[in-house]
Amino acid sequence: GAGVSQSPRYKVAKRGQDVALRCDPISGHVSLFWYQQALGQGPEFLTYFQNEAQLDKSGLPSDRFFAERPEGSVSTLKIQRTQQEDSAVYLCASSRDRGGRDTQYFGPGTRLTVL
Amino acid sequence: AQKVTQAQTEISVVEKEDVTLDCVYETRDTTYYLFWYKQPPSGELVFLIRRNSFDEQNEISGRYSWNFQKSTSSFNFTITASQVVDSAVYFCALSEAGNYGGSQGNLIFGKGTKLSVKP
Repeated sequence: GAGVSQSPRYKVAKRGQDVALRCDPISGHVSLFWYQQALGQGPEFLTYFQNEAQLDKSGLPSDRFFAERPEGSVSTLKIQRTQQEDSAVYLCASSRDRGGRDTQYFGPGTRLTVL
Repeated sequence: AQKVTQAQTEISVVEKEDVTLDCVYETRDTTYYLFWYKQPPSGELVFLIRRNSFDEQNEISGRYSWNFQKSTSSFNFTITASQVVDSAVYFCALSEAGNYGGSQGNLIFGKGTKLSVKP
């Protein structure tokens, strides 16, 4: 069955470049979450969408981070003017209902390395 | 404030040993959900179990079992007769219903416990 997919799986960027990370959630899932996982740490919340509405972006670390889900399905996380501290794995998760009530299923992640 | 603590950073066992991974949580919400995820070397987070705060029944699934105790705010995970394929990082996570505002159900993760099972 189709799970959550993310692309690219790996991305190397030079400091200062903009990057765009894509997430395809499970079809029909209402909720979509982005998390950032630094090496050796647990994932940390970035932002949450319910359908096309971005209801929580409290975890975005700076205004260089921007996320969208314009049609309530595919989502893109964009990082402008990348910095070395942005190097991490970016995980996308979706759930059928509101995330708190339902299980979140994760994609394989995008490993971003900023040189 | 909500928090998940996994005090064991790394555990190493020999195949067929039983092993328990500890998880302690903090929350103000009366309705919340607890999860365990497995992250093998490939990196993908694999869902193992979800419990809600009103269901304290322990659960067993094959070699896996979970012990949820609200009195001690703990949700421990035991693997019986461990196998090499169980080697991974295991994360405990919490989500809240949002009764105190702010939470939209995002997961709060512990730092994970790295389990190594040697043959």
